[in-house]
Amino acid sequence: AQSVAQPEDQVNVAEGNPLTVKCTYSVSGNPYLFWYVQYPNRGLQFLLKYITGDNLVKGSYGFEAEFNKSQTSFHLKKPSALVSDSALYFCAVRGTYKYIFGTGTRLKGLA
Amino acid sequence: EAGVAQSPRYKIIEKRQSVAFWCNPISGHATLYWYQQILGQGPKLLIQFQNNGVVDDSQLPKDRFSAERLKGVDSTLKIQPAKLEDSAVYLCASSLIESRISGANVLTFGAGSRLTVL
Repeated sequence: AQSVAQPEDQVNVAEGNPLTVKCTYSVSGNPYLFWYVQYPNRGLQFLLKYITGDNLVKGSYGFEAEFNKSQTSFHLKKPSALVSDSALYFCAVRGTYKYIFGTGTRLKGLA
Repeated sequence: EAGVAQSPRYKIIEKRQSVAFWCNPISGHATLYWYQQILGQGPKLLIQFQNNGVVDDSQLPKDRFSAERLKGVDSTLKIQPAKLEDSAVYLCASSLIESRISGANVLTFGAGSRLTVL
């Protein structure tokens, strides 16, 4: 069975500091991995995805994610956080036809 | 391009009443999803359509929830009768046609319909 875990309910980061939002996954076969962001009263928006190839994936708004097969992780990163990055971040894995979402991590950017 | 449209944005009903949500996906997107997002949780897939056929409805509480996608475009999700635990945001998403070959299609979400059951 496929699953996604986001171990942190909330991450606080000072503006200008690097941020990391953690995600681990379990899926049979090659994983398709995604990050989505949700702002208040909005639907989820796509940030980036990993299919194959380079383990470092670059996405929207300066975000990137690192795929680590041995650790079954796909952590979201940004070199320099902004207060406006404050939102709810979801990791997702796509198995056979079905997308499974993690429980979400609330990122709070601090001025 | 126009996004995924959902209505109503907000609905408040009493338990045992019925409610219906409507979704219009992005033009050309063959796959449509309904997710339930309870406060503090990640989206949970209720039902997935490909064109007007059901791909997965394994987590749809079929005794009270129903969904249809006539003509393979718009979709309606209905709850009858509603329970307190149905209070959630109902998200509709769409994507290009899914297949074992296409792999990782990106989902485009609507803004959601927030349901409060009193």
